[in-house]
Amino acid sequence: QQQVKQSPQSLIVQKGGISIINCAYENTAFDYFPWYQQFPGKGPALLIAIRPDVSEKKEGRFTISFNKSAKQFSLHIMDSQPGDSATYFCAASRRSNDYKLSFGAGTTVTVRA
Amino acid sequence: GAGVSQSPSNKVTEKGKDVELRCDPISGHTALYWYRQSLGQGLEFLIYFQGNSAPDKSGLPSDRFSAERTGGSVSTLTIQRTQQEDSAVYLCASSGNSGNTIYFGEGSWLTVV
Repeated sequence: QQQVKQSPQSLIVQKGGISIINCAYENTAFDYFPWYQQFPGKGPALLIAIRPDVSEKKEGRFTISFNKSAKQFSLHIMDSQPGDSATYFCAASRRSNDYKLSFGAGTTVTVRA
Repeated sequence: GAGVSQSPSNKVTEKGKDVELRCDPISGHTALYWYRQSLGQGLEFLIYFQGNSAPDKSGLPSDRFSAERTGGSVSTLTIQRTQQEDSAVYLCASSGNSGNTIYFGEGSWLTVV
């Protein structure tokens, strides 16, 4: 069973716009929530990660929002650029065994110039 | 090397044949992971090695799958009697210790015909 549900499956945004990807999880033991970015033919690369003791984390144009009570977290890409076009995966794991990441199905983001 | 190295990058094999996929982790990384990425799907955890500890094989989908890690470095994922449903990208990753950033290789694309 998929422990992390991700939506939308794909999205198209104009250059300069905001991309929003949402994820939901069921396992309340999860306490580490990373986002990975993957370009075609490449392996996923860690983009940004959050732990549940904060509700938001921002790194440059990328922001994670976390809602512990709703068991949801989201990625916002501000001022989207064509170079942001990629597939984004949310993931979750327990601090005690961070290695066993459960991934969402991925969102393909296309930024149109 | 500078990153996680995997070989072959592409492999086409006939149903029923055995295949071996190789992973060379980042030098000095003690943790090594194998994930599988099927078309349009998220990443599925397969197996995890940490130092000299017994590997966590809980993600292996069947007894046709096995993996070993020699000398605490290079790992080989073996799939026996391949089936068409084994077609996927097999991703290897490594990290310095459980809980640190996980770095992925570019994957081995396996096609079973």
